[in-house]
Amino acid sequence: GDSVTQMEGPVTLSEEAFLTINCTYTATGYPSLFWYVQYPGEGLQLLLKATKADDKGSNKGFEATYRKETTSFHLEKGSVQVSDSAVYFCASLQETSGSRLTFGEGTQLTVNP
Amino acid sequence: ETGVTQTPRHLVMGMTNKKSLKCEQHLGHNAMYWYKQSAKKPLELMFVYSLEERVENNSVPSRFSPECPNSSHLFLHLHTLQPEDSALYLCASSWKLNTEAFFGQGTRLTVV
Repeated sequence: GDSVTQMEGPVTLSEEAFLTINCTYTATGYPSLFWYVQYPGEGLQLLLKATKADDKGSNKGFEATYRKETTSFHLEKGSVQVSDSAVYFCASLQETSGSRLTFGEGTQLTVNP
Repeated sequence: ETGVTQTPRHLVMGMTNKKSLKCEQHLGHNAMYWYKQSAKKPLELMFVYSLEERVENNSVPSRFSPECPNSSHLFLHLHTLQPEDSALYLCASSWKLNTEAFFGQGTRLTVV
Protein backbone atom coordinates (compact mmCIF):
# COMPACT_ATOMS: atom_id res chain seq x y z
CA GLY A 1 0.00 0.00 0.00
CA ASP A 2 0.90 3.65 -0.16
CA SER A 3 3.07 5.10 2.61
CA VAL A 4 4.75 8.35 3.61
CA THR A 5 7.94 8.60 5.63
CA GLN A 6 9.07 11.80 7.33
CA MET A 7 12.29 12.63 9.06
CA GLU A 8 12.06 11.99 12.75
CA GLY A 9 11.74 14.89 15.08
CA PRO A 10 11.78 16.84 17.12
CA VAL A 11 13.62 19.53 15.21
CA THR A 12 14.85 22.56 17.15
CA LEU A 13 16.16 25.64 15.36
CA SER A 14 17.05 29.20 16.15
CA GLU A 15 15.10 32.02 14.57
CA GLU A 16 16.19 32.83 10.99
CA ALA A 17 17.75 29.39 10.51
CA PHE A 18 17.16 27.34 7.36
CA LEU A 19 14.61 24.55 7.65
CA THR A 20 14.41 21.24 5.82
CA ILE A 21 11.99 18.48 6.75
CA ASN A 22 12.44 15.40 4.60
CA CYS A 23 9.51 13.44 3.20
CA THR A 24 9.53 10.43 0.89
CA TYR A 25 6.59 8.46 -0.41
CA THR A 26 5.82 5.08 -1.90
CA ALA A 27 2.90 4.73 -4.27
CA THR A 28 1.83 2.63 -7.22
CA GLY A 29 1.17 5.66 -9.39
CA TYR A 30 1.72 9.41 -9.21
CA PRO A 31 -0.05 10.78 -6.19
CA SER A 32 -0.73 14.36 -5.25
CA LEU A 33 1.46 15.47 -2.35
CA PHE A 34 0.69 17.79 0.54
CA TRP A 35 2.17 19.41 3.59
CA TYR A 36 -0.17 20.10 6.49
CA VAL A 37 0.73 22.10 9.60
CA GLN A 38 -0.74 21.73 13.07
CA TYR A 39 -0.23 24.59 15.50
CA PRO A 40 -0.54 23.85 19.23
CA GLY A 41 -4.10 23.07 20.23
CA GLU A 42 -5.39 23.28 16.67
CA GLY A 43 -6.41 21.01 13.82
CA LEU A 44 -4.44 20.43 10.63
CA GLN A 45 -4.19 23.21 8.06
CA LEU A 46 -3.20 22.66 4.47
CA LEU A 47 0.12 24.46 3.98
CA LEU A 48 0.95 23.65 0.36
CA LYS A 49 0.50 21.01 -2.31
CA ALA A 50 1.80 19.71 -5.63
CA THR A 51 -0.13 17.53 -8.01
CA LYS A 52 2.46 16.39 -10.53
CA ALA A 53 6.17 15.83 -10.97
CA ASP A 54 8.39 18.94 -10.84
CA ASP A 55 5.55 21.08 -9.43
CA LYS A 56 6.59 23.38 -6.62
CA GLY A 57 4.10 24.17 -3.89
CA SER A 58 4.67 27.32 -1.85
CA ASN A 59 2.96 29.27 0.91
CA LYS A 60 4.04 31.56 3.77
CA GLY A 61 7.70 31.25 2.76
CA PHE A 62 7.59 27.44 2.76
CA GLU A 63 8.34 25.48 -0.42
CA ALA A 64 8.36 21.86 -1.50
CA THR A 65 9.11 20.37 -4.92
CA TYR A 66 7.60 17.12 -6.20
CA ARG A 67 10.59 14.95 -7.19
CA LYS A 68 9.47 11.83 -9.02
CA GLU A 69 12.98 10.48 -9.49
CA THR A 70 13.65 10.45 -5.74
CA THR A 71 9.98 10.04 -4.67
CA SER A 72 10.43 13.00 -2.34
CA PHE A 73 8.63 16.16 -1.31
CA HIS A 74 10.94 17.87 1.16
CA LEU A 75 9.69 20.97 2.97
CA GLU A 76 12.00 23.99 3.11
CA LYS A 77 12.00 27.50 4.47
CA GLY A 78 14.86 29.92 4.22
CA SER A 79 14.36 31.74 7.51
CA VAL A 80 12.12 30.32 10.21
CA GLN A 81 10.28 32.34 12.82
CA VAL A 82 9.14 31.48 16.33
CA SER A 83 5.58 31.44 15.00
CA ASP A 84 6.50 28.51 12.72
CA SER A 85 6.73 26.23 15.75
CA ALA A 86 4.24 23.45 15.02
CA VAL A 87 3.93 19.85 13.87
CA TYR A 88 4.31 19.33 10.12
CA PHE A 89 2.69 16.40 8.31
CA CYS A 90 3.52 15.19 4.85
CA ALA A 91 0.69 13.39 3.02
CA SER A 92 -0.03 11.71 -0.29
CA LEU A 93 -3.26 11.06 -2.15
CA GLN A 94 -3.89 8.80 -5.09
CA GLU A 95 -6.87 10.08 -7.03
CA THR A 96 -8.20 6.62 -7.70
CA SER A 97 -11.23 4.89 -6.33
CA GLY A 98 -10.82 3.80 -2.73
CA SER A 99 -7.80 5.90 -1.95
CA ARG A 100 -7.53 8.23 1.01
CA LEU A 101 -4.98 10.69 2.30
CA THR A 102 -1.94 8.84 3.65
CA PHE A 103 -0.11 10.79 6.34
CA GLY A 104 3.41 10.65 7.64
CA GLU A 105 3.93 10.55 11.38
CA GLY A 106 4.53 14.26 11.74
CA THR A 107 7.63 16.26 12.63
CA GLN A 108 7.63 18.58 15.62
CA LEU A 109 9.44 21.86 14.91
CA THR A 110 10.42 24.25 17.69
CA VAL A 111 11.95 27.61 16.81
CA ASN A 112 13.71 29.48 19.60
CA PRO A 113 14.18 33.25 19.64
CA GLU B 1 -15.51 31.75 10.00
CA THR B 2 -13.54 28.58 9.47
CA GLY B 3 -14.70 26.16 6.79
CA VAL B 4 -14.98 23.19 9.16
CA THR B 5 -16.26 23.82 12.68
CA GLN B 6 -16.14 21.32 15.51
CA THR B 7 -17.90 21.50 18.86
CA PRO B 8 -17.13 21.25 21.64
CA ARG B 9 -13.42 22.12 21.57
CA HIS B 10 -12.84 20.30 24.83
CA LEU B 11 -14.79 17.50 26.50
CA VAL B 12 -14.25 15.58 29.71
CA MET B 13 -16.48 12.59 30.22
CA GLY B 14 -16.77 9.63 32.52
CA MET B 15 -16.68 6.09 31.27
CA THR B 16 -20.42 5.65 31.72
CA ASN B 17 -21.43 8.89 30.01
CA LYS B 18 -22.94 9.37 26.57
CA LYS B 19 -21.83 12.40 24.60
CA SER B 20 -21.68 13.52 20.99
CA LEU B 21 -19.14 15.42 18.97
CA LYS B 22 -20.43 17.69 16.24
CA CYS B 23 -18.83 18.76 12.98
CA GLU B 24 -20.22 21.22 10.46
CA GLN B 25 -18.68 22.23 7.15
CA HIS B 26 -19.54 25.36 5.18
CA LEU B 27 -17.54 24.49 2.07
CA GLY B 28 -20.16 22.67 0.01
CA HIS B 29 -18.16 19.46 0.23
CA ASN B 30 -19.66 16.02 -0.30
CA ALA B 31 -17.30 13.87 1.79
CA MET B 32 -16.63 14.00 5.52
CA TYR B 33 -14.21 12.15 7.76
CA TRP B 34 -13.46 11.42 11.40
CA TYR B 35 -9.82 11.03 12.46
CA LYS B 36 -8.33 10.18 15.85
CA GLN B 37 -5.02 11.72 16.87
CA SER B 38 -3.35 10.21 19.92
CA ALA B 39 -0.04 11.22 21.40
CA LYS B 40 2.95 9.48 19.79
CA LYS B 41 0.75 7.74 17.19
CA PRO B 42 0.00 8.43 13.53
CA LEU B 43 -3.32 9.91 12.52
CA GLU B 44 -5.99 7.20 12.42
CA LEU B 45 -8.82 7.42 9.90
CA MET B 46 -11.97 6.23 11.67
CA PHE B 47 -14.93 6.82 9.36
CA VAL B 48 -15.59 8.15 5.89
CA TYR B 49 -18.90 9.44 4.54
CA SER B 50 -19.70 10.34 0.97
CA LEU B 51 -23.03 11.97 0.15
CA GLU B 52 -24.25 10.95 3.61
CA GLU B 53 -23.45 7.27 3.05
CA ARG B 54 -20.80 5.59 5.18
CA VAL B 55 -18.16 4.23 2.84
CA GLU B 56 -15.48 3.24 5.29
CA ASN B 57 -15.33 2.00 8.86
CA ASN B 58 -11.78 1.18 9.85
CA SER B 59 -12.26 -1.42 12.58
CA VAL B 60 -13.46 1.16 15.06
CA PRO B 61 -15.03 -0.16 18.31
CA SER B 62 -18.81 0.05 18.47
CA ARG B 63 -18.61 2.49 21.38
CA PHE B 64 -17.99 5.06 18.61
CA SER B 65 -21.05 5.59 16.44
CA PRO B 66 -21.01 8.08 13.55
CA GLU B 67 -24.00 9.81 12.05
CA CYS B 68 -24.22 11.95 8.93
CA PRO B 69 -27.73 13.43 8.60
CA ASN B 70 -26.79 15.62 5.62
CA SER B 71 -23.70 16.55 3.66
CA SER B 72 -22.92 19.50 5.94
CA HIS B 73 -23.08 17.77 9.31
CA LEU B 74 -21.28 14.87 10.90
CA PHE B 75 -21.61 13.55 14.43
CA LEU B 76 -19.64 11.10 16.50
CA HIS B 77 -21.71 9.57 19.29
CA LEU B 78 -19.69 8.31 22.23
CA HIS B 79 -20.81 5.68 24.72
CA THR B 80 -19.01 3.74 27.44
CA LEU B 81 -15.57 4.97 26.46
CA GLN B 82 -12.26 3.88 27.94
CA PRO B 83 -9.41 6.07 29.19
CA GLU B 84 -7.33 5.03 26.17
CA ASP B 85 -9.94 6.74 23.96
CA SER B 86 -8.68 10.08 25.22
CA ALA B 87 -7.36 11.89 22.16
CA LEU B 88 -7.89 14.75 19.75
CA TYR B 89 -10.76 13.91 17.40
CA LEU B 90 -10.52 15.69 14.08
CA CYS B 91 -13.24 16.14 11.52
CA ALA B 92 -12.39 16.84 7.90
CA SER B 93 -14.23 17.37 4.65
CA SER B 94 -13.36 17.25 0.98
CA TRP B 95 -15.11 18.18 -2.25
CA LYS B 96 -15.42 14.50 -3.08
CA LEU B 97 -13.71 11.30 -2.12
CA ASN B 98 -10.06 11.15 -3.12
CA THR B 99 -9.52 14.91 -3.01
CA GLU B 100 -7.60 16.97 -0.45
CA ALA B 101 -9.16 17.32 2.97
CA PHE B 102 -9.80 20.40 5.06
CA PHE B 103 -9.76 19.95 8.82
CA GLY B 104 -11.60 21.36 11.77
CA GLN B 105 -9.82 22.46 14.93
CA GLY B 106 -10.60 19.23 16.72
CA THR B 107 -12.24 18.19 19.96
CA ARG B 108 -9.86 17.35 22.78
CA LEU B 109 -11.53 14.45 24.56
CA THR B 110 -10.51 13.24 28.00
CA VAL B 111 -12.11 10.10 29.43
CA VAL B 112 -11.87 9.79 33.20
